Amino acid sequence: RKEVEQDPGPFNVPEGATVAFNCTYSNSASQSFFWYRQDCRKEPKLLMSVYSSGNEDGRFTAQLNRASQYISLLIRDSKLSDSATYLCVVNIDYPGGGADGLTFGKGTHLIIQP
Amino acid sequence: GAVVSQHPSWVICKSGTSVKIECRSLDFQATTMFWYRQFPKQSLMLMATSNEGSKATYEQGVEKDKFLINHASLTLSTLTVTSAHPEDSSFYICSARLRGGSSYNEQFFGPGTRLTVL
Repeated sequence: RKEVEQDPGPFNVPEGATVAFNCTYSNSASQSFFWYRQDCRKEPKLLMSVYSSGNEDGRFTAQLNRASQYISLLIRDSKLSDSATYLCVVNIDYPGGGADGLTFGKGTHLIIQP
Repeated sequence: GAVVSQHPSWVICKSGTSVKIECRSLDFQATTMFWYRQFPKQSLMLMATSNEGSKATYEQGVEKDKFLINHASLTLSTLTVTSAHPEDSSFYICSARLRGGSSYNEQFFGPGTRLTVL
């Protein structure tokens, strides 16, 4: 069973539409959650962290459901520049400040059409 | 702030040669750096965790003698792919965790190094 699962898409949506991505994770010890954005042949860039209470950053809204081990990202009023691959990422934080690497989903490819 | 650089950005080499990739945190100290690898249309896969002043921790299936990691300072980690073969061709990305960062463990990624082994 994959640790982080996402629908690979591609999602083709018209400019201005609202689009939602979902992600599930298998390790219940996961404690930190993120959405990253990756453009073609580039490194991933942090889009937003995901908090238990849900959080919003402009047109982007992230939600976390720990009971279902489910994370979502909603993009409103989509722009052409939103075209990218969106990566769902989880991390296990160890006591004492030890750090583990991030576990990435394969990503969901989004194409915004004019 | 929180900029991570990688050098080189791309490299083409012959099979059997060794390639060294540098990862630097430019404006912050990083006690921990991570090395990832991404094959086409695949997710980033963690290869190893590099801790300053100690041995790296490798993920299962990653050969430590083939992928040598050195983290000699709080701003520099290097990955050396020894005796590279065509199957090692990939996009290698490092990341750095901010020392004293928040519990949400944000990592900052370098721009990646594209390795092609002929």
